[in-house]
This record gives sequence, C-alpha cells and structure tokens, in this order.
Amino acid sequence: DADVTQTPRNRITKTGKRIMLECSQTKGHDRMYWYRQDPGLGLRLIYYSFDVKDINKGEISDGYSVSRQAQAKFSLSLESAIPNQTALYFCATSDPTSGYTDTQYFGPGTRLTVL
Amino acid sequence: AQSVSQHNHHVILSEAASLELGCNYSYGGTVNLFWYVQYPGQHLQLLLKYFSGDPLVKGIKGFEAEFIKSKFSFNLRKPSVQWSDTAEYFCAVGVYGGSQGNLIFGKGTKLSVKP
Repeated sequence: DADVTQTPRNRITKTGKRIMLECSQTKGHDRMYWYRQDPGLGLRLIYYSFDVKDINKGEISDGYSVSRQAQAKFSLSLESAIPNQTALYFCATSDPTSGYTDTQYFGPGTRLTVL
Repeated sequence: AQSVSQHNHHVILSEAASLELGCNYSYGGTVNLFWYVQYPGQHLQLLLKYFSGDPLVKGIKGFEAEFIKSKFSFNLRKPSVQWSDTAEYFCAVGVYGGSQGNLIFGKGTKLSVKP
C-alpha cells in the first residue's frame, strides 16, 4: 500500500466552485506539505504543517487554505477556484532530523482542471 | 532568499551517452541537497541526497552527484543513460536550521533518451 495517498487523483471543476484535495499518510511523519507543479516552474510550496497545531503559508498561499485534521491527514482547499489554479498538486511528508531538512516523500498527485 | 537553478530545461541524449545535469544554489550556510526524479505520469521519487561527509554521493539506478561547496553546485551524473531514464529531474536544497525546514526546488530538467 502507498505511504502517501491523495484523493481525488483527477478533478475537473468550474470557476467559483469550492474544491478540497485530501492527503493521508501512514509514514507516521509529523511534517506535511502541499505543492503545486506547473510546467517549467517546478514545484512551489503552498502550505506546510510541522504538526497538528502548526500551519504555515508557503510561497504561493493566496487562494488556498489548509486543514490538518490529524497527524496523518492534511487537506488543501480552494475556496473559489479559478482557471490559473489548474495544475498538478502534490502532498508530501517528512520527518525532521536534528535541524536538517530531511527527505520528503510524495504522494501520487492530483490533477486539477478549473474551467 | 535561497534559490535553486537548473541550467538546462530539456536535454536530449541517445542511449549510452553520458549525462550531467547542472544544479546551483544560492545560500551561504549548511545545506542538504537532493535530486528527485519524476517519471512520466508519476510522483517524485528520491534519487539521492547529500547531508554531510563524502561529497560524491551515489544514488539509485547508477546515478551519482557531486557536491562542490566552493561552486555552490550539486550536479547529477550518469555514465551511460538508458531509455528508461527518460523523466524530469529536480534538484532541491534544504537549509540547516532553516525556519521552515523546507525544500526549495529547481524548475526541473526534462531528459529525453532516444533508443
């Protein structure tokens, strides 16, 4: 079974709709992340969470919100989707190691299309 | 702010050719360095990482990377590529003791290997 799962895997929606993307992990990691990937732009960090009570904005948080329901679950919401939020969204987890940034483990991604 | 530069957007090679993908970062302190690979339609997977010690790091599938601190570089190499190496490659940097403990990704290099 996959350690990091994302649902849905694909979603097509319309402008103005509220969308929630979900991420679950069985790795027991405290840290979770949401990225979006756009062609030619690499991965950009949207939000990250170091534990259930710690939520932080990333590079491109405008238009997004998150919820850390439990150590294993981290959801990303688009309150009112717009076409330029069409992208591939990845969830990732990591376990901190003595102040270093440790390896991040990625989910399979959610391809979101906003019409 | 820290940044990561990958020199080539798209590299096209024939099978058995040697590969070197460039990665430079801007940060003067201690860093952790990563190369991730994304095969078509899949999520990011760790190829190799450098935390400390021997600056020549060996990863999976015959890949290696060399950390040259004076050049702020972490170039990825493979002596002989295969068609199955066709993928997008991302360099990422994590800073020691960074406030976020996050990774900063380069924009990626797409590798196409011709059979």
